[in-house]
Amino acid sequence: AQSVTQPDIHITVSEGASLELRCNYSYGATPYLFWYVQSPGQGLQLLLKYFSGDTLVQGIKGFEAEFKRSQSSFNLRKPSVHWSDAAEYFCAVGFQKLVFGTGTRLLVSP
Amino acid sequence: GAVVSQHPSRVICKSGTSVKIECRSLDFQATTMFWYRQFPKKSLMLMATSNEGSKATYEQGVEKDKFLINHASLTLSTLTVTSAHPEDSSFYICSASPSGAGNEQFFGPGTRLTVL
Repeated sequence: AQSVTQPDIHITVSEGASLELRCNYSYGATPYLFWYVQSPGQGLQLLLKYFSGDTLVQGIKGFEAEFKRSQSSFNLRKPSVHWSDAAEYFCAVGFQKLVFGTGTRLLVSP
Repeated sequence: GAVVSQHPSRVICKSGTSVKIECRSLDFQATTMFWYRQFPKKSLMLMATSNEGSKATYEQGVEKDKFLINHASLTLSTLTVTSAHPEDSSFYICSASPSGAGNEQFFGPGTRLTVL
C-alpha cells in the first residue's frame, strides 16, 4: 500500500535554530516527492520537489530536502528558522495522484 | 504565475441544501484538477480527479452522487455537495495541473464548508 509517514506531529524550534522534518514513504516505485507548507486556513504552497537527478533539492524560503533511496526518506531541512516559518508542513509522494502525510506542525519559539 | 482560486472561501449552509464550490486556474490551462478534503488536524484526502471534458474519477469510499464534479473547461472545475449534512463540514481544497506540465499541482486557498 502507498503511504507517507511524518512521525512528528508537532515540533518546536527556537528562532535561528536549525530544523529537520522527517518524511518516509512506501510506494511501488520511486515516486515524485514534494514538500508543501500550509498556513492556518490557507491552501498549500509548494516548497520543493524531487523528480530525478541530484538528490539534494533546494526550494523556496531557504528550505532544502534530501532524497535517500535506501531509506525511502525525503527529509526537509532549514539551517536557521524564522518565526514566519511557523506553519503545517506536508510531505507528499506520487505521480499524477499524490499521497500526503499527516503533516508536522512547526512552532517557533522566540 | 500558476495561480488557482476557489470561490467561495467559506460557506455556511443548512442541512439538506446543496453547495457549489468553484476552482479556477487563473493564468494557465489545466487538463486535470483534483479535489481534496481536509479534516481538522488531518492530512489531505484525495476525493476525485477531474479531467476536462470527461467524467471525474472518484477515490474509493467517496460518493459520486453526493459530490458532483464538473470540469467543463480548461480553467474551471466545480464541486457540488448535494443534500449537505453536518458530517460534510470540512475544508475542501482543489488543485490544478497545467497541461503538459507533468506532475506539478498548484493548490487553491481552500473552501471552509460548515453545514448547520
